[in-house]
Amino acid sequence: GQNIDQPTEMTATEGAIVQINCTYQTSGFNGLFWYQQHAGEAPTFLSYNVLDGLEEKGRFSSFLSRSKGYSYLLLKELQMKDSASYLCSCQDSNYQLIWGAGTKLIIKP
Amino acid sequence: IAGITQAPTSQILAAGRRMTLRCTQDMRHNAMYWYRQDLGLGLRLIHYSNTAGTTGKGEVPDGYSVSRANTDDFPLTLASAVPSQTSVYFCASSLAVHGDEQFFGPGTRLTVL
Repeated sequence: GQNIDQPTEMTATEGAIVQINCTYQTSGFNGLFWYQQHAGEAPTFLSYNVLDGLEEKGRFSSFLSRSKGYSYLLLKELQMKDSASYLCSCQDSNYQLIWGAGTKLIIKP
Repeated sequence: IAGITQAPTSQILAAGRRMTLRCTQDMRHNAMYWYRQDLGLGLRLIHYSNTAGTTGKGEVPDGYSVSRANTDDFPLTLASAVPSQTSVYFCASSLAVHGDEQFFGPGTRLTVL
C-alpha cells in the first residue's frame, strides 16, 4: 500500500532551526511536495523535489533521497508565524498526491 | 474572483439530504481536485479532473459525484449525506497534472447530523 509517515508534533524555539522528516512508500514516484497549513486555513505550497538533493528557498529548504524514500523540510531562523502544520505529499504513478497526516510545529518564544 | 473560491464556507446538513459544494477558479488551470481533511488523517482525494470534460475517482469517492462542464467550475455533490461525511472539504487546482503545485480554496466545513 501507499504510506507517508511524518511526526505528529514537534516543538522548537523562536530563532532556532528545525528539521521535519518524512518517509514515503508509494506506487511510483513523480515528486514530493511540502505544504504549510495554518490552523483553520487552506494548505499553501512550500516546495517541490523530484531529483535527489537539497532545494533552498529563503529560510526553508527541502531535501530528497529517492533511494531511501526520505525527505526533510528544514526551517531556519524560526519565527512565531511558522507555527503551523507541515504536510508532506508524494505524487504517485497516476500523478495523484498521497498525503501524510501532517506535522504540527509549535514555536515557543 | 482571485484564485480559487468555495461555497458555502460552512454548512450543517441533515442526514439523507442532497448537497452540492461549489468550487470556482479563475486561473485557467487544467486540473482540479476535491479533498476531504479529517482530524489525524492526511488529505484524501475524493475526485479529480485533469481537464474540462473528464473526471476520475480518487481514494474515497463513494457517496460523492462531480462534474466538469467547463474549465472554471468543479462542483462536488453528496447525493444523500451521511454523518461520516462530516469533514472539511478543500477544492484545489493546478495548471498541469505533473509536478505543478496545487492551489487550494479556503475550504467548506460540513457537518452532517
